[in-house]
Amino acid sequence: TQLLEQSPQFLSIQEGENLTVYCNSSSVFSSLQWYRQEPGEGPVLLVTVVTGGEVKKLKRLTFQFGDARKDSSLHITAAQPGDTGLYLCVSGGGSNYKLTFGKGTLLTVNP
Amino acid sequence: NAGVTQTPKFQVLKTGQSMTLQCAQDMNHNSMYWYRQDPGMGLRLIYYSASEGTTDKGEVPNGYNVSRLNKREFSLRLESAAPSQTSVYFCATNRGIGNTIYFGEGSWLTVV
Repeated sequence: TQLLEQSPQFLSIQEGENLTVYCNSSSVFSSLQWYRQEPGEGPVLLVTVVTGGEVKKLKRLTFQFGDARKDSSLHITAAQPGDTGLYLCVSGGGSNYKLTFGKGTLLTVNP
Repeated sequence: NAGVTQTPKFQVLKTGQSMTLQCAQDMNHNSMYWYRQDPGMGLRLIYYSASEGTTDKGEVPNGYNVSRLNKREFSLRLESAAPSQTSVYFCATNRGIGNTIYFGEGSWLTVV
C-alpha cells in the first residue's frame, strides 16, 4: 500500500513570507494531485502533475514533481491570509478507484 | 465545490439512531464516493460506486450502507449510529478511474 507523508504537519507564518510543503511516497506516483481545503469546506483541486520533473505554476503557487515521481513540493511565494487552509496531496487512482491521501499540511498565514 | 451537494450540513444523533446522508451531483459523472475525515487520520474511503447500479466497499465500510439511487444520487446510511462515527463526511465524484475528483462541502456528524 502506498503511503504519502506530508511535511510539515503544521505551519504558521506571517503574511508575505515564503514557504514550501512536501509530499513524499514510499513508491512511485502514477499521478499526483494537490488540493486545498479551507475551514468548513471540502477539498478543492489546485493542480495535477503526471510527468517526472514537471513544474507547474498557479499564480504564487509553484508545484514540482520529482524526477523519480516519488516526491512533490508546493512552494508559496509571499503568502497571504487567503492561503490559509489544509493542503493535501493525493495519489492514484491508476488502475483502481483507491486514492491515497496524505494527512495534510495545515497552513496558517497571519496578517 | 460546485456540482456536488450534500445534506444535511450538520447533524447530531444519539447512539443507536439511524440517519441517511444525501449526495447529488450535476456533473454527469459515473463515479461517486463517500469519505470520512478525522483528525490525524486524513480522508478514508467508506464506499464507492463506479457507475449507476454498482457499489463497493472502501477502507472503512463497517457500520455503513450505501445506495446509488441513480446516476446523480448516492446516499450513505448509518443504521445504528455509534460515537466512533462522529466525523466529517464528504461525498465526491469523478468521471472514472484516474480522473480529478470533486468534493462536496461536507456533513458534520456528531453521535452522542
